[in-house]
Amino acid sequence: DAKTTQPPSMDCAEGRAANLPCNHSTISGNEYVYWYRQIHSQGPQYIIHGLKNNETNEMASLIITEDRKSSTLILPHATLRDTAVYYCIVRVAHDSWGKLQFGAGTQVVVTP
Amino acid sequence: DGGITQSPKYLFRKEGQNVTLSCEQNLNHDAMYWYRQDPGQGLRLIYYSQIVNDFQKGDIAEGYSVSREKKESFPLTVTSAQKNPTAFYLCASKDANSGNTIYFGEGSWLTVV
Repeated sequence: DAKTTQPPSMDCAEGRAANLPCNHSTISGNEYVYWYRQIHSQGPQYIIHGLKNNETNEMASLIITEDRKSSTLILPHATLRDTAVYYCIVRVAHDSWGKLQFGAGTQVVVTP
Repeated sequence: DGGITQSPKYLFRKEGQNVTLSCEQNLNHDAMYWYRQDPGQGLRLIYYSQIVNDFQKGDIAEGYSVSREKKESFPLTVTSAQKNPTAFYLCASKDANSGNTIYFGEGSWLTVV
């Protein structure tokens, strides 16, 4: 699976949009971009995933650049409950192993 | 509600004792997984099962055992042979109908005292 690079930390004001970048310059054509977040002492929570088109769900939007070498997760209106470590992962969707290589992620702190 | 339930959330074990962590899912997923997460580190795959009555070793299977007798259940036993069992254990399952997305339970903290 391709490696990803994320900033170690980010602050965001409550109610504002949080834009979380991720670089995955070695991504292969059959690899998807997944985003998870993990609040301390809890299991990772799936947020969103995409291949090459932009995606949106009730939690967030995912913007993938045309060359697919980077992506941005957007939390449109951050709340205090969005404080967590956010992980960007690249993996082949059809793999049977389920090996998710979580990097260090981005620690997001939402402040009042 | 549909989801993955792990129990117990916190468990203390004396050295030399086996302990079994429960994982139940009502999502009708075929594939299930057990990961271990140590503080400040990523996930490491212990075992996985693609279908009932079948399971495979992951990267760190030594000292662990699993069973998959029912689709809904994938218990993990941490045996006394596991040299460093204190960790956060995560059970997960895969939705083959939604981009093979992997979903996680809330995790179980195991402390050996």
